[in-house]
This record gives sequence, structure tokens and C-alpha cells, in this order.
Amino acid sequence: AQKITQTQPGMFVQEKEAVTLDCTYDTSDQSYGLFWYKQPSSGEMIFLIYQGSYDEQNATEGRYSLNFQKARKSANLVISASQLGDSAMYFCAMRVLSGYSTLTFGKGTMLLVSP
Amino acid sequence: DTEVTQTPKHLVMGMTNKKSLKCEQHMGHRAMYWYKQKAKKPPELMFVYSYEKLSINESVPSRFSPECPNSSLLNLHLHALQPEDSALYLCASSQDLLAGVADTQYFGPGTRLTVL
Repeated sequence: AQKITQTQPGMFVQEKEAVTLDCTYDTSDQSYGLFWYKQPSSGEMIFLIYQGSYDEQNATEGRYSLNFQKARKSANLVISASQLGDSAMYFCAMRVLSGYSTLTFGKGTMLLVSP
Repeated sequence: DTEVTQTPKHLVMGMTNKKSLKCEQHMGHRAMYWYKQKAKKPPELMFVYSYEKLSINESVPSRFSPECPNSSLLNLHLHALQPEDSALYLCASSQDLLAGVADTQYFGPGTRLTVL
């Protein structure tokens, strides 16, 4: 079975600072994908970034980067230059090839960005 | 374009009502999903359709009835719901359930359902 752990229920950051949201995972599969989603209070789940288990480079998408440490089974999201609009719930998720290949979500981290 | 649309945005219904939630995508995706999400919790998978056929039913009560009329549309029919069914219902789509681990799910804005 797959498991995603997000140990930070809430994080605070000041505008323009960088913030790291933690995510650790557990799976016996060799091939897997890791995803981060953002969910503002409006409810929509917005896809941010993807990292494959065989990708050698850390994924980056604009201000988002994924700090992938395979040996430690961690996939932390780094948001650079935080903006007020980054205040939201952030979910880490994983997909494996075995079974029905559905997403396993972590419990989420609520990020609040202050002026 | 990675847009998934859902209607209605909000729905209030009584326990004896019958209503439907609708989801639409025009990305050519062949997998579509229904999730239920309670406040401050991650989404819980309910159903998965692959090529318009029901592939996964996560032991959802029969008062929820999914339907996939064509590759772009997904409905969730609701009947005799309970107050505990009040939640945010999210629809998602992805290119293909068998496309590999990189197959990304794109979500709609959700329907906030309140059952009185």
C-alpha cells in the first residue's frame, strides 16, 4: 500500500519569502509519480508540479520547485517569493503503476502568507 | 487548455430530493473521476470511469449513482441523501488510466452540496 505523510498541518510565511512544504512517501513500487496540488478556499484543486521516480532532475514550474530526495523518500515543495495568493491548502499525492493507479493524497498543509 | 467544468457550483437539497451533478471536459481525456471532500480533509475517491466504462467503485452507497453518457461528460445522480453526505464534490479527468504514473489528474471547481 502507498502512503503520503505531510507533517505540517499549518505553515506561516511572510510575503516575498521562500517556504518549504514537507512531503514524505512510502511505496514498494519502483516506478511512481509525485504530484503537488494547491486548493484555495474556493475549492478547486490546482495541479502545480510533477516529479517521476526516474527523473534525474528536480522538477521546476515557475516559482514552484520540487526537492526530490529519493533515498530519503521525500518530495518537498519549495515556493519562492511567496505571494498573498499562495495562501491555500497544499496536497502532496502519489501514483504508482500497480493496481488501479489512482492517486494517494496526504492530509495537506495549510499555508498562510502574511503581508 | 486544462479546464474541467462542473455545475452547479452550489446545491442545497432535502433528503427526499433527486438531483444531479454534472462534469464536462474537452481535453480528449479518457479517464474521469468523482471525489468527495470534507472540510480540511483530502479528497476521497468515489468512482473512476475509463473509456466510458465504470472501472472503480470505492464501495460508495447506492444513493450515489454515476453515469458517463460520452467521453466528455460525467454525471453523479443523487437520491435520498443523508446530512452527512454534505461535502464538496470534485470531478477530475486525466488522459488515460493506463498511461503510466505521469498521468495527471485535472480537477474542476467542485460542487458544494448541502443536504438538509
